[in-house]
Amino acid sequence: KNQVEQSPQSLIILEGKNCTLQCNYTVSPFSNLRWYKQDTGRGPVSLTIMTFSENTKSNGRYTATLDADTKQSSLHITASQLSDSASYICVVRGGSQGNLIFGKGTKLSVKP
Amino acid sequence: ETGVTQTPRHLVMGMTNKKSLKCEQHLGHNAMYWYKQSAKKPLELMFVYSLEERVENNSVPSRFSPECPNSSHLFLHLHTLQPEDSALYLCASSRGLAGSYNEQFFGPGTRLTVL
Repeated sequence: KNQVEQSPQSLIILEGKNCTLQCNYTVSPFSNLRWYKQDTGRGPVSLTIMTFSENTKSNGRYTATLDADTKQSSLHITASQLSDSASYICVVRGGSQGNLIFGKGTKLSVKP
Repeated sequence: ETGVTQTPRHLVMGMTNKKSLKCEQHLGHNAMYWYKQSAKKPLELMFVYSLEERVENNSVPSRFSPECPNSSHLFLHLHTLQPEDSALYLCASSRGLAGSYNEQFFGPGTRLTVL
């Protein structure tokens, strides 16, 4: 069954600290993986997209990694800011019909 | 802003009411989507429209009725809903059907509460 699992479910960190969010998937065949940020009361906004051949991609303080062999991705946030408080959703495109499979998200809270 | 707007932002309705959610995209996209987002669950794709034609209906109950009069507007008509239908309803659009790298742009959502 095609699934996307994210961990942790929630995370609290202090402003200025780094953190890493995990995404494991069982989707096959794999097409691409996207990380979204969803602020409270807003819709998800894409941070990065990664294809099979990409290992690392950065977007400002956000760095996503992909290991297609182990079917794992991570999102690393450097020098966190209060505005990073949000839910981060991992979405994998793949399967026999090229569907989008969504993770449940990780809720990050950055405290001053 | 993402270029996708949704109204209303909040809606409270009784189980016997009829209401409609509206979505409008200003991006010139050809595909539009309705998603349901419930607490602690992944986003659930409800309907997909491409060039105003419904191309996907993911076993959604008939109390939800979509309408796409043109490529810029999408509606979700609601009637005789149940309390378990309370959720955030997200609209999204993409340049084409979300194959390969077509990014979906999401609206802010409508928070629906069914009493």
